[in-house]
Amino acid sequence: GESVGLHLPTLSVQEGDNSIINCAYSNSASDYFIWYKQESGKGPQFIIDIRSNMDKRQGQRVTVLLNKTVKHLSLQIAATQPGDSAVYFCAENPWDSSYKLIFGSGTRLLVRP
Amino acid sequence: NAGVTQTPKFQVLKTGQSMTLQCAQDMNHEYMSWYRQDPGMGLRLIHYSVGAGITDQGEVPNGYNVSRSTTEDFPLRLLSAAPSQTSVYFCASSYGMGQYEQYFGPGTRLTVT
Repeated sequence: GESVGLHLPTLSVQEGDNSIINCAYSNSASDYFIWYKQESGKGPQFIIDIRSNMDKRQGQRVTVLLNKTVKHLSLQIAATQPGDSAVYFCAENPWDSSYKLIFGSGTRLLVRP
Repeated sequence: NAGVTQTPKFQVLKTGQSMTLQCAQDMNHEYMSWYRQDPGMGLRLIHYSVGAGITDQGEVPNGYNVSRSTTEDFPLRLLSAAPSQTSVYFCASSYGMGQYEQYFGPGTRLTVT
């Protein structure tokens, strides 16, 4: 069935290091992917998105990589800061279900001072 | 802009009670949706609306009703609360379906005893 999952439920990194959060998806019909950040007690916040015709997209301190061959998505955060501590979700939108966003279960990022 | 607002922030219900979760947005977004988030899981779509007067079911619609009489408001009604509906509920809005950034509200934490 369709699923979006994450390899690591919790990731602990030292402040200043780079973080990599991974996500696997199984629906080859998905052509749009999004990363969300959710801080404790708040709603998810959009970080960055990527369409399937790209394999890399960069934002401010964040980079998303898409490997369609192995159905893998990753979020890289450069120079991780304490404010980056949160749960990160990947989500996918299948081209044949325009209303539908399928969310993964999330990875908690902990930044050690 | 206030963005997406939700009320109440917290609610405790007894089994069988009914209530309405309120959601409003001031961004003139056509698309609005309701999600529930359970511990250790990603968000699951309950209902969505592509404009005033138009609603449709998502992945987990049973036990919930929605209506969209205005562009701004999208209330979620629990008809007869059950313990399985204990969850955090998020409302979201966007310019369009699927491949558009969704803006999430702060959430309503609902407990059904």
